[in-house]
Amino acid sequence: LAKTTQPISMDSYEGQEVNITCSHNNIATNDYITWYQQFPSQGPRFIIQGYKTKVTNEVASLFIPADRKSSTLSLPRVSLSDTAVYYCLVGDGGGSYIPTFGRGTSLIVHP
Amino acid sequence: NAGVTQTPKFRILKIGQSMTLQCAQDMNHNYMYWYRQDPGMGLKLIYYSVGAGITDKGEVPNGYNVSRSTTEDFPLRLELAAPSQTSVYFCASSYWTSGGQETQYFGPGTRLLVL
Repeated sequence: LAKTTQPISMDSYEGQEVNITCSHNNIATNDYITWYQQFPSQGPRFIIQGYKTKVTNEVASLFIPADRKSSTLSLPRVSLSDTAVYYCLVGDGGGSYIPTFGRGTSLIVHP
Repeated sequence: NAGVTQTPKFRILKIGQSMTLQCAQDMNHNYMYWYRQDPGMGLKLIYYSVGAGITDKGEVPNGYNVSRSTTEDFPLRLELAAPSQTSVYFCASSYWTSGGQETQYFGPGTRLLVL
């Protein structure tokens, strides 16, 4: 099972771009990389998912280098409402897959 | 669609009591999960199910039981409540694409306090 490592916390200011990197050295060939966002007192919600190179949606971008041993979630021009915990997951739904959220990265956006 | 619903929202139990946390989804998802989240920590998988009639243990199954008699419902049973089970419980459902992509949808959570 691919294990992920993320920074425990990050601080930023409104209007800045925030990049959160997740390491997954043991990622398997078929694994996808998925990021979730969790606000206080709520369940996590899906943000973005990718396999390789770059994926962009209305919320974020996901950059995955060629070796796929890490990935970077990029949040453009953050606002106070982006203060949340961000989780990186790796898996392919195979027989041994157990989703592991870990502690995630706590992002605090300051005014 | 209501998505994933959980009841109750909050419950106080005495040590040794039992209760069932309810979870239902209306998206026809095969996969369902139960997680617990302790303060300041990530989510830990308790049990999961890949379809009706099939359940399996996650990372922290001790003290809990589940059943999956229908696609829609996935109740979590606590038989003998202990203070260590004080936590927030999240239920989730998901679908997997044939290519191995999964998106999980979470319920609002049940906050449980065992005294």
